[in-house]
Amino acid sequence: GAVVSQHPSWVICKSGTSVKIECRSLDFQATTMFWYRQFPKQSLMLMATSNEGSKATYEQGVEKDKFLINHASLTLSTLTVTSAHPEDSSFYICSAQWGEKLFFGSGTQLSVL
Amino acid sequence: AQSVAQPEDQVNVAEGNPLTVKCTYSVSGNPYLFWYVQYPNRGLQFLLKYITGDNLVKGSYGFEAEFNKSQTSFHLKKPSALVSDSALYFCAVRDGRTGRRALTFGSGTRLQVQP
Repeated sequence: GAVVSQHPSWVICKSGTSVKIECRSLDFQATTMFWYRQFPKQSLMLMATSNEGSKATYEQGVEKDKFLINHASLTLSTLTVTSAHPEDSSFYICSAQWGEKLFFGSGTQLSVL
Repeated sequence: AQSVAQPEDQVNVAEGNPLTVKCTYSVSGNPYLFWYVQYPNRGLQFLLKYITGDNLVKGSYGFEAEFNKSQTSFHLKKPSALVSDSALYFCAVRDGRTGRRALTFGSGTRLQVQP
């Protein structure tokens, strides 16, 4: 099946720094990618919808200036957590749409000290 | 607005026994329902979906799910559990009436199959 590669799988950073997470569709082109966030024992919460070549659409309550999304090509979307704080520590997972199907990355565990 | 509830954080079952992982949903339009499984250090993998048609949907690895409109449920089932089925299972929904592809997920249920 189609593969979505998400990198890094885990990252530890200091408070105030920025972290970039990459989501790549390895064998298909994805015009739409989604970014989710998951807190322990809670649902995957949709943060934003990323469309190639246009601005991302953010869900209510998600700060677009803090969570910068770039979908510059049909195979790559990036999520940058700017000026990270401990409350941004979470599990982030992307998914890429191919036709009617969604394929998910393996997720990134972010820990902000 | 749409939502998904998975009332059980964890389900324990002995190998060879039938298993059920519960899911109920709320959506204002037409429910498109999905089950995904997540193994450690892996991405979410698609198991099965209900869009329309037969209420009993068969999916990968011997799993099936039954859509029950009156109870707004979409429970995942398997007649005989395997130890290798141990994983985290997510139910998800989207409103088929809209063009929005993003899914709303439940909180996940960890399935533990004991040998």
